[in-house]
Amino acid sequence: DIQMTQSPSSLSASVGDSVTITCRASQSISNYLNWYQQKPGKAPKLLIYAASSLQSGVPSRFSGSGSGTDFTLTISSLQPEDFATYYCQQSYKTPLTFGQGTKLEIK
Amino acid sequence: EVQLVESGGGLVQPGGSLRLSCAASGFTVSSNYMSWVRQAPGKGLEWVSVIYSGGNTYYADSVKGRFTISRDNSKNTLYLQMNSLRAEDTAVYYCARSSVAYNWFDPWGQGTLVTVSS
Repeated sequence: DIQMTQSPSSLSASVGDSVTITCRASQSISNYLNWYQQKPGKAPKLLIYAASSLQSGVPSRFSGSGSGTDFTLTISSLQPEDFATYYCQQSYKTPLTFGQGTKLEIK
Repeated sequence: EVQLVESGGGLVQPGGSLRLSCAASGFTVSSNYMSWVRQAPGKGLEWVSVIYSGGNTYYADSVKGRFTISRDNSKNTLYLQMNSLRAEDTAVYYCARSSVAYNWFDPWGQGTLVTVSS
């Protein structure tokens, strides 16, 4: 199985800051990497697919990059609604696997 | 509007069975890949199963042999039959449309809670 490791597990930041979350795959997954945002009590929401493509309706302050084994999600100019938990997911092959999540909290 | 609505969750004893349903609107289930993803209380996301448009099915090792994914094309509904349930299957279960060939999940349903306890 492909293991996905996110770092950090938690992160504190202020409104207006820029933050970066990293996701590493245990083997090369090309660009089969997706990012989700989840708020408490809600279903996850797709932000970025295929490593760097912004899902329709998602603000442009979200961006993704990477290929192979190392990927990043960057949120520029944090807004109050961005404080949530973020997950990466590999879709290179089954079993599809998620990172353990990164909880972004307000400083 | 593309929408998924799950139902069928509840409290079940260990060893019991439950069938989850996911009613789709705004798109055709049989023309898409469809997945189940679960989240244990306070934990992260775990993929459970996918059914491809051609009918092929795949499962996480943790549920293989106990869970069965299926669909009813006439009802445009996805199902997850869960047998031999264990305490560790306790979770919110989400259905999600998976993109064909790329398997990203969008949209997701609101989730249904399954609690396995005596």
